Order: sequence, then structure tokens, then C-alpha cells
Amino acid sequence: DQQVKQNSPSLSVQEGRISILNCDYTNSMFDYFLWYKKYPAEGPTFLISISSIKDKNEDGRFTVFLNKSAKHLSLHIVPSQPGDSAVYFCAALNSNSGYALNFGKGTSLLVTP
Amino acid sequence: GAGVSQSPRYKVAKRGQDVALRCDPISGHVSLFWYQQALGQGPEFLTYFQNEAQLDKSGLPSDRFFAERPEGSVSTLKIQRTQQEDSAVYLCASSGARITYEQYFGPGTRLTVT
Repeated sequence: DQQVKQNSPSLSVQEGRISILNCDYTNSMFDYFLWYKKYPAEGPTFLISISSIKDKNEDGRFTVFLNKSAKHLSLHIVPSQPGDSAVYFCAALNSNSGYALNFGKGTSLLVTP
Repeated sequence: GAGVSQSPRYKVAKRGQDVALRCDPISGHVSLFWYQQALGQGPEFLTYFQNEAQLDKSGLPSDRFFAERPEGSVSTLKIQRTQQEDSAVYLCASSGARITYEQYFGPGTRLTVT
């Protein structure tokens, strides 16, 4: 069963606007969350992460928000740029039971000029 | 510095053949992971090494899948008697210190079983 869900397969945003990618999880034991970006024919590239003891982490144009009670996290990209067009994967792990990442199915982001 | 490299990038195998996929992690990285990514899906965990020790192989789908990392650096994922359902991209990732959870991925090997 899918423990990490990205319910929007695709998202289209205009350049300069905010992109919001959402992710839900079901396993309350997850305590670390990561976002990866993937271009075609390349491996996923680490973008940003957040520990369950925080509710926000910011790195430049990228901010991740975590709502533990709702088991929901989101990635905000502001401002969006055409080079941000890629597939974004949400991943989670339970650090007490190993280091395997549990991934969602991904959201394909298209940023149009 | 050099990232994670994988070879071959593409592999076509006839059903029933054995294949070996290689991963060179980032130099000095202790942890190494293998994932399988089917079309339209996210990567799924296969197995994890810390140095040469295989600490978790719970994701290997069958006993036809075998992974090794004999000297704690390069790793090989071997699939015996390949089946069509084995067609996927096989991703290798490495990670440095134990307190770091970020994993750095290679470009993957796309395996097609005909």
C-alpha cells in the first residue's frame, strides 16, 4: 500500500508565480521528509528536507511546510522559473527502522513563460 | 566532485538471461541503496548497505535478485533469469554520515526485458 501519496499527477504554473506541490502520508512513524526533483533520463536530485520536529524549512526559492496533525507536507517554489519544470517526488522515512525512502508517485510541474 | 555513477545506462535482456548492474557511489559514502522505479511510479526500495554489510534487503522482490558490495564501495545488483516484470529503471543512491538522511542518486540503469 502506498504510504506516501501525491494526488496531483501534474501542475502547470506561469513563470514568476508560486508553485505548490502537495504530499500526504499515512505512516505516523515517519519522522523525516524530503523532496526530490527529477529531469528525464536523470536520477532524482535532492532538493530540500524537513525533520518532524520542525514545521517549516526554507532554502532560497524553496520552502517545505509540514503539518504533522494532518500528515501533510507541501513544497512551495517562489518565484517559479521555466527551469523548475520537472517531476517532483515527495519521500519519507522512519529513522528508527532504517533509512529506506518511501516515495510518492511524483507530480509533473510545468512552468510556462 | 564526482557524483554517483551507474553502468550500463541501458540494458536489453532476453527473458531468462542474467544481468549485472553496477553502481559507483560518491567516494567515502558509507551507505548505499538500490531502488527500482517502474514507469509512472516513484522509486521503490530494494536493499541497503552500510559499508560492506547488507543491513536491509526487505525490498528485494524475489530470490532472483541479489546485491553485493564486497569492499564497501562499488556495488552490483544481479538479477537472475530475468522476467518481463523486471523491466524498470534501477537507481543507486549513496549517503554520507549516518546522521544525514539525504540520499544522492545516480542516473539509473534502464533495464528492458524482451
